[in-house]
Amino acid sequence: SQQGEEDPQALSIQEGENATMNCSYKTSINNLQWYRQNSGRGLVHLILIRSNEREKHSGRLRVTLDTSKKSSSLLITASRAADTASYFCATSVNNDMRFGAGTRLTVKP
Amino acid sequence: DAGITQSPRHKVTETGTPVTLRCHQTENHRYMYWYRQDPGHGLRLIHYSYGVKDTDKGEVSDGYSVSRSKTEDFLLTLESATSSQTSVYFCAISREGPGTQYFGPGTRLTVL
Repeated sequence: SQQGEEDPQALSIQEGENATMNCSYKTSINNLQWYRQNSGRGLVHLILIRSNEREKHSGRLRVTLDTSKKSSSLLITASRAADTASYFCATSVNNDMRFGAGTRLTVKP
Repeated sequence: DAGITQSPRHKVTETGTPVTLRCHQTENHRYMYWYRQDPGHGLRLIHYSYGVKDTDKGEVSDGYSVSRSKTEDFLLTLESATSSQTSVYFCAISREGPGTQYFGPGTRLTVL
């Protein structure tokens, strides 16, 4: 069964707007990661947040983690057409990584 | 995808035939993983390796076996392919178990 569940399943926005995706999970974790996948390609790592961290930034990306609610969010600011992709959260428990089904983001020019 | 290759990239086979997929890395990472990706399921872990000859099962290991005789190579074998194993298979590597994973380009397998 999937550990992470992303919400929404699909998101469509205009270029320049912010995009927020959420991830909920069920058990305690070592860390939570976000990945991007362009159509037909492998996944690309975006950011890792450890269970003792609450917020991390990387360029236009901001990730938050609330372990009490077992949830995380990924914010992409000032989105670009090139951000169009599927975004997955992945939770890590020891050596076991579990991915959600992903959020499909479309950024319209 | 730099440093990780998968072969073949595409394969069509028939039910009941054995299939072996290869993952090769040049990064000398300790951990290697095999996932399958199906619509609506995201990625699901099949097997992983934490060193030469050290492997363990993932979430969906039934019908699959793996071997790792060298640091750089991780093989996934379907002993007798079934139509339910039609999927896109991704290999990934990482330095540490719960750390950042780097993915290969994927292998699209179709079992008729």
